[in-house]
Amino acid sequence: EIVLTQSPATLSLSPGERATLSCRASQSVSSYLAWYQQKAGQAPRLLVHDASNRATGIPARFSGSGSGTDFTLTISSLEPEDFAVYYCQQRSDWPLTFGGGTKVEIK
Amino acid sequence: QVQLQESGPGLVKPSETLSLTCSVSGYSITSAYYWGWIRQPPGKGLEWIGSIYHSGSTDFNPSLKSRVTISVDTSKNQFSLKLGSVTAADTATYYCAKLWGRWFDSWGQGTLVTVSS
Repeated sequence: EIVLTQSPATLSLSPGERATLSCRASQSVSSYLAWYQQKAGQAPRLLVHDASNRATGIPARFSGSGSGTDFTLTISSLEPEDFAVYYCQQRSDWPLTFGGGTKVEIK
Repeated sequence: QVQLQESGPGLVKPSETLSLTCSVSGYSITSAYYWGWIRQPPGKGLEWIGSIYHSGSTDFNPSLKSRVTISVDTSKNQFSLKLGSVTAADTATYYCAKLWGRWFDSWGQGTLVTVSS
């Protein structure tokens, strides 16, 4: 099973600041990595797939990068609605696995 | 726009079987795509349970495979989850989702299932 490790666990930032979230895979997943956003009490929402492709309707301030084992989700300038938990997910191999999440909270 | 809605009991007794249904609207479940179940224990992360293709072929998380059944009811445009021999560790919010290339691109709102006597 491919283990995804996300860091940091919590990121405390102010609106307008840049957020950089990391996801590291226990083995190469090529570019088969996605990012999801989950707000309190809601289902997750697909943000980025295949490492760097924004999903439909996702604002340009969200960008993904990386390949192999190291991936980054960047939010260029945090909006109030971006404070949430973010998860990465790999589809390189079964079983599909998620990272433990990074909470982006208001500083 | 595809919409998914989970339904089923919110409380299940230990050792019994958890049964949930996902109703799909706005898209025919027989047309394409995989359909899946994911769960999230309170305050914790996401765990993929399993997926089913419209043809009926399935994939399961090995950690749950021995207890899980996923099936499709094309006449009702629904798919279902059964998880047997539940314990308190199975208490979670259960989500159904549509998969697009093994990415979960549409989700139900989720339903909390508590395992307790």
